[in-house]
Amino acid sequence: QSALTQPASVSGSPGQSITISCTGTSSDVGSYKFVSWYQQHPGKGPKLMIYEGSKRPSGVSNRLSGSKSGNTASLTISGLQAEDEADYYCCSYAGSSTYVFGTGTKVTVL
Amino acid sequence: EVQLVESGGGLVQRGGSLRLSCAASGFTFSRHWMSWVRQAPGKGLEWVANIRLDGREKYYVDSVKGRFTISRDNAKNSLYLQMNSLRAEDTAVYYCARHDDSGTYIFEYWGQGTLVTVSS
Repeated sequence: QSALTQPASVSGSPGQSITISCTGTSSDVGSYKFVSWYQQHPGKGPKLMIYEGSKRPSGVSNRLSGSKSGNTASLTISGLQAEDEADYYCCSYAGSSTYVFGTGTKVTVL
Repeated sequence: EVQLVESGGGLVQRGGSLRLSCAASGFTFSRHWMSWVRQAPGKGLEWVANIRLDGREKYYVDSVKGRFTISRDNAKNSLYLQMNSLRAEDTAVYYCARHDDSGTYIFEYWGQGTLVTVSS
């Protein structure tokens, strides 16, 4: 049950695209399509942004997209905006009704 | 509107106990798995425990097994986390989260959290 590995920080200028990686193992990310991404602003509860690797809940901007290859999932934010500045966490189902989160990535809009 | 409101956090001595509650509204509580997720100060999210619709299945992260117990009362639309033998490393904001009801294994809605501080 080790945390998934994410870069500590990623930054970009407004309008640019950034990608956050999320590396797990064959026991979690590599075994299941159930990878989700959450956005968290300071002092707030997390918000679901992507699920099943690439699906967006209603109301989430189409500037966000997700993908997965092998043991690594990725979140891409295109057309970066000031409101995208937040912490982002990936999460994978790990079997037997358990879950593992990523280490988290702080996104900074320059 | 889905609402999850946690309560019961506070300051407790190492080795002590605390019971967290989560009041749910705006949806049919009994149709959803529920989880507790925690976040230590300045750290990332950690899934703690979850519970099936009827409360008959419960799962825990290894670090809390034997010390924490998750439960629910569908008649009261409430989720609970009984925390015993608390350690300094249990200090965190504890979030209540609702899973979806279509098998996508996601934390669809979250509360605002309640802070638990274990003093050593």
